[in-house]
Amino acid sequence: KAGVTQTPRYLIKTRGQQVTLSCSPISGHRSVSWYQQTPGQGLQFLFEYFSETQRNKGNFPGRFSGRQFSNSRSEMNVSTLELGDSALYLCASSRGRGQGAKETQYFGPGTRLLVL
Amino acid sequence: GQNIDQPTEMTATEGAIVQINCTYQTSGFNGLFWYQQHAGEAPTFLSYNVLDGLEEKGRFSSFLSRSKGYSYLLLKELQMKDSASYLCAVRDNNAGNMLTFGGGTRLMVKP
Repeated sequence: KAGVTQTPRYLIKTRGQQVTLSCSPISGHRSVSWYQQTPGQGLQFLFEYFSETQRNKGNFPGRFSGRQFSNSRSEMNVSTLELGDSALYLCASSRGRGQGAKETQYFGPGTRLLVL
Repeated sequence: GQNIDQPTEMTATEGAIVQINCTYQTSGFNGLFWYQQHAGEAPTFLSYNVLDGLEEKGRFSSFLSRSKGYSYLLLKELQMKDSASYLCAVRDNNAGNMLTFGGGTRLMVKP
């Protein structure tokens, strides 16, 4: 079974621009969660999508948004980029309706974003 | 909110055993996960605990005490490739599928 894939793997943007990142979950997984990882803050939850609906949201400003398509693929968008948005953006997929260990999240390789 | 603490760094010798501790505070505990993350790579799933006790998986074991808000990851017969960050993450009943991560423990295995 193919794992979680993310595109692009690397991205360089300048302040004020916007960016869209893509995530394709493991086949059969319907939940996609997004995380931001920085050296200072560690791994922080952005949001989770299930069945094209945002099911959960972390403490990030409205500049961070996302969506999910009917095939469970997800995108996240960051508008008006700031220097502090430089980070590794990870998406993780899980079944979405299981219990316990069946809801383990599996991570993609991440998109490394550098904002100049 | 949730609070998850784990040591920042640990060093151990190849062939030895190391225990990485994690303490947490959460209002609606619904599972604890351990992930391994090599530098520049994505976290990979190691173990899951939701009931008290020890879960063994090869050279890795994970223990949970819900009453103490405490878990540890035990790595036996350490190999150089075990040098990585180990992330403790907790799922809360009140937060859906969201995982809250500790800051990670960077383990260095020396010859």
